[in-house]
Amino acid sequence: GAVVSQHPSWVICKSGTSVKIECRSLDFQATTMFWYRQFPKQSLMLMATSNEGSKATYEQGVEKDKFLINHASLTLSTLTVTSAHPEDSSFYICSAQLTEAFFGQGTRLTVV
Amino acid sequence: ELKVEQNPLFLSMQEGKNYTIYCNYSTTSDRLYWYRQDPGKSLESLFVLLSNGAVKQEGRLMASLDTKARLSTLHITAAVHDLSATYFCAVDQDKIIFGKGTRLHILP
Repeated sequence: GAVVSQHPSWVICKSGTSVKIECRSLDFQATTMFWYRQFPKQSLMLMATSNEGSKATYEQGVEKDKFLINHASLTLSTLTVTSAHPEDSSFYICSAQLTEAFFGQGTRLTVV
Repeated sequence: ELKVEQNPLFLSMQEGKNYTIYCNYSTTSDRLYWYRQDPGKSLESLFVLLSNGAVKQEGRLMASLDTKARLSTLHITAAVHDLSATYFCAVDQDKIIFGKGTRLHILP
């Protein structure tokens, strides 16, 4: 199947700093990618839909200014968590769709 | 708004037993997915169901889809400990929405 790669797999940052997470489709082009957040023992919650060459579409309740999404090419979307706080600590997963949805390996963010 | 409901949310069962996880969804959809997630890991795709009456099997797992009832099932046959994980159904309606997941614990 197609491969979606996320980087980094885990990151620890200080409160107040910003963190960037990359999501790449390695062997196909994706005009649309999706970003999810998962808290411990909970399901995946869709945060936003990333659209190549245009603005992302955010789900209700997700702060656009806090979670900046850039989809500058057909194989790369980035999620930047700005001014991170401990409550932003979570598992972030991206996906891209070809014939079906393919998910990245996830990024565990810990804000201390 | 699309809603996806899974039940049960938690299931503890003995090895060798059979059980079924149910997934109901609220609006029509083009496809339904079943995923497995192990602790600390991302999602592993199990099945993609595209049409009414679709049935797919892989090992001890079998998934089915009834689009008229908006219901999918994941059936586990003769469970083994290695199947312990969290199982999610997800429905695709331009964006993929997940159920809450079923934490499956299989006792040896």
